[in-house]
Amino acid sequence: NAGVMQNPRHLVRRRGQEARLRCSPMKGHSHVYWYRQLPEEGLKFMVYLQKENIIDESGMPKERFSAEFPKEGPSILRIQQVVRGDSAAYFCASSPLLTETRGETQYFGPGTRLLVL
Amino acid sequence: ELKVEQNPLFLSMQEGKNYTIYCNYSTTSDRLYWYRQDPGKSLESLFVLLSNGAVKQEGRLMASLDTKARLSTLHITAAVHDLSATYFCAVAGTYKYIFGTGTRLKVLA
Repeated sequence: NAGVMQNPRHLVRRRGQEARLRCSPMKGHSHVYWYRQLPEEGLKFMVYLQKENIIDESGMPKERFSAEFPKEGPSILRIQQVVRGDSAAYFCASSPLLTETRGETQYFGPGTRLLVL
Repeated sequence: ELKVEQNPLFLSMQEGKNYTIYCNYSTTSDRLYWYRQDPGKSLESLFVLLSNGAVKQEGRLMASLDTKARLSTLHITAAVHDLSATYFCAVAGTYKYIFGTGTRLKVLA
C-alpha cells in the first residue's frame, strides 16, 4: 500500500507566477489535509477536504490560496501570484474514512518545497 | 483555541546524557503524537499516545502522556549523535493536528 504521494517534491517559481501542488492520498483514504511549514517553524494547518468538499479552511490565507479534492484525481493546492513569503514546505496528510471526525490518525506525505524567487 | 507549546526550543547535549522535552497543550484532547523531522525531510512518526498514563518506548526514546496535566514528555536516554533532529509534538484537534513549535536537538560527540 503506497503512502501519501506529493508532487512535485521541489518547485521553483518567480514572483507573480502560479504554483500547483498535488497530493494523492493513501489508497482507501478520503480525507486530505494540507499543512504549511515555514522555515524554522512547526507545521500549521491550512485546509481539510473530503471528496468534492472543503470541510475546514480556517488556516488558509484569504487571498491567492485555494484547494480542491475532486471526485477523481489528486488534491490540488493552488497558490496564485506567489510572493517570497509563500516559500515554505507544504505537507499533505490523509486519513481513512471513519465514523468519528476527531482524532483521526493522519499519514503525512514527503512534502513539496516551494521556493519563490 | 487549542495551543501547543514545546520546550526547550533548542537543545544541545553531550552524547551519553539524558534529557526531557516537554509538550504542554491548552485544551482536552484524546490523542498526542510525537514526530521526528530531519532537515529537508518529512515527518517520521515516533509515538501515538492515546490515554492518560500512556507510556511508550522505542530505543533511547520514551514518551508519556498526562492528560490531567495536559502534558507529554519525550525522554532521551544516553543520547547518541543519530538522534540529532527536530522533534515535534502534535495534538489532535477537531479535523486537524495542532503542532508544537518543535525542539531542535543537537547531540555533540
